[in-house]
Amino acid sequence: GAGVSQSPRYKVTKRGQDVALRCDPISGHVSLYWYRQALGQGPEFLTYFNYEAQQDKSGLPNDRFSAERPEGSISTLTIQRTEQRDSAMYRCASSPRNTGELFFGEGSRLTVL
Amino acid sequence: GEDVEQSLFLSVREGDSSVINCTYTDSSSTYLYWYKQEPGAGLQLLTYIFSNMDMKQDQRLTVLLNKKDKHLSLRIADTQTGDSAIYFCAERPPDYKLSFGAGTTVTVRA
Repeated sequence: GAGVSQSPRYKVTKRGQDVALRCDPISGHVSLYWYRQALGQGPEFLTYFNYEAQQDKSGLPNDRFSAERPEGSISTLTIQRTEQRDSAMYRCASSPRNTGELFFGEGSRLTVL
Repeated sequence: GEDVEQSLFLSVREGDSSVINCTYTDSSSTYLYWYKQEPGAGLQLLTYIFSNMDMKQDQRLTVLLNKKDKHLSLRIADTQTGDSAIYFCAERPPDYKLSFGAGTTVTVRA
């Protein structure tokens, strides 16, 4: 597609369930980033990949969060045993290379009841 | 809290200039950015500036960088109603992890 695509756009789940959020970056983009944005805040870094290699996962809050990008294209952010504090907008961005010109998707809004 | 700080709100009259200010903390940041977020949409890159530049102009947008004070500003000339949005300042340190401010909500009034 022309832009970064994220799915689902909205996800409501019960506490304790696992969720998987998908990101389809712009074709050919080397770098892929995951950010989390709480209401009224700026995006907060979670993790990023160059091709299939996870370069930095220091922003993942705890071991319930994981991400993969097995073929260097589509990425999945997985949250296990969700908690209410995980409720936020999860944003994916891709970049042709590490220039910092991040192109963001529209985000996946997660609500944990 | 964030390392990048911005004022939270700005109200401006249509046709006037808007100035949004930002301070950042990492003096080794090589790029500084302004992103725009409209309701229900993703973040859109508006412009960016290299750390070795003082100013960059792009149509109605002017970015000023004071590296000594770690201060970045975005000026929007002839502000229009379509400029109403949240504007985020971001810095890119050498580890490539962009760090964003909390955003400035710009409201354009007729």
